[in-house]
Amino acid sequence: DGGITQSPKYLFRKEGQNVTLSCEQNLNHDAMYWYRQDPGQGLRLIYYSQIVNDFQKGDIAEGYSVSREKKESFPLTVTSAQKNPTAFYLCASSNGVRTEAFFGQGTRLTVV
Amino acid sequence: GNSVTQMEGPVTLSEEAFLTINCTYTATGYPSLFWYVQYPGEGLQLLLKATKADDKGSNKGFEATYRKETTSFHLEKGSVQVSDSAVYFCALIHAGNQFYFGTGTSLTVIP
Repeated sequence: DGGITQSPKYLFRKEGQNVTLSCEQNLNHDAMYWYRQDPGQGLRLIYYSQIVNDFQKGDIAEGYSVSREKKESFPLTVTSAQKNPTAFYLCASSNGVRTEAFFGQGTRLTVV
Repeated sequence: GNSVTQMEGPVTLSEEAFLTINCTYTATGYPSLFWYVQYPGEGLQLLLKATKADDKGSNKGFEATYRKETTSFHLEKGSVQVSDSAVYFCALIHAGNQFYFGTGTSLTVIP
């Protein structure tokens, strides 16, 4: 089945540690996105990528990093520089031609 | 710039009531418009979409019409069910392939 997979579903991190969230898609989509969602709030764009080996900062990129070495993969690293990383993280992809985005099931990150 | 404004929640309705969630947008040209639904602890699922003026998107009893003259894309359902309880997001995509989301409207349907 085609889709977008995020792992893990739940992640716990100690303060001061970096952590990487996985996002894989087999939809052959060019564009991929990372969003952050806080309780009762909407989605805020962290990073997005239109093609392999290229990505752009979104509205809240500070404290995050990404890579896009393969079309199907767009991992997000939450670094220790992110002041308040506890949140729900959503990855999405689209075919880049003004059509809908497909979302993964999300990763809930908790800093302990 | 581009933006989406949707009705503040939360919204609480009795089963079989009529639902309207308002959504208006700001964008130059002709964006594509979407409604997404999010159930607790899950990602967003596409509910319906419209890609040009006067298009009507529909799915699972939900409908929304792309109104260019009022820059609106209001979500409606004639008779809601308990299973419709979720958070609903209005969104647009325009040139540059960035999505713009509203802040979400929480709907609770009570039996």
